[in-house]
Amino acid sequence: DGGITQSPKYLFRKEGQNVTLSCEQNLNHDAMYWYRQDPGQGLRLIYYSQIVNDFQKGDIAEGYSVSREKKESFPLTVTSAQKNPTAFYLCASSIIAGPYNEQFFGPGTRLTVL
Amino acid sequence: DAKTTQPPSMDCAEGRAANLPCNHSTISGNEYVYWYRQIHSQGPQYIIHGLKNNETNEMASLIITEDRKSSTLILPHATLRDTAVYYCIVRVANAGGTSYGKLTFGQGTILTVHP
Repeated sequence: DGGITQSPKYLFRKEGQNVTLSCEQNLNHDAMYWYRQDPGQGLRLIYYSQIVNDFQKGDIAEGYSVSREKKESFPLTVTSAQKNPTAFYLCASSIIAGPYNEQFFGPGTRLTVL
Repeated sequence: DAKTTQPPSMDCAEGRAANLPCNHSTISGNEYVYWYRQIHSQGPQYIIHGLKNNETNEMASLIITEDRKSSTLILPHATLRDTAVYYCIVRVANAGGTSYGKLTFGQGTILTVHP
């Protein structure tokens, strides 16, 4: 089955630790995205990537880092510099060509920093 | 990208049509209207999009007013599984045919379908 996988579904970390969230897609999509969602709020874009080895900051990139070494993978690292890391993190992907590029979302990772 | 305004919540009886409004009075000529929904604790799911013509697919219909300042998403026969947050998003399509695809999600409409 084609789709996007994120692991783990729930993640707990101590304050001050870096943590990396996984995102893998087998849809052969060029573009990948990371969003953050806080309770009762919409999604906010953290980082996006249109092509391997290239990525751009979104609206709330501070305290986060990403890499895109393979087309299928776009891991997100939440660093200790992120002041409020507890949130629901969503990864998405889309084709790049054309105006529509409907985004397909993964199931999300809920990160809790203790 | 243009901002959208949606009611915070709506109710619908199972089996009836759910009509979800969205106001996007500042939409520009090259912006599309997209609808996504998010069931609790899951990733958003694409529903439908349109530019100026009405659109229909297996999930829903999208009615866009002639002046394009508002639209309505219609779920023709709502079921309990349609209970979710529905997001209306307007987004420009890059004139060059590519776009980094940023979707600006507002707070959406919480649709509750009851028996």
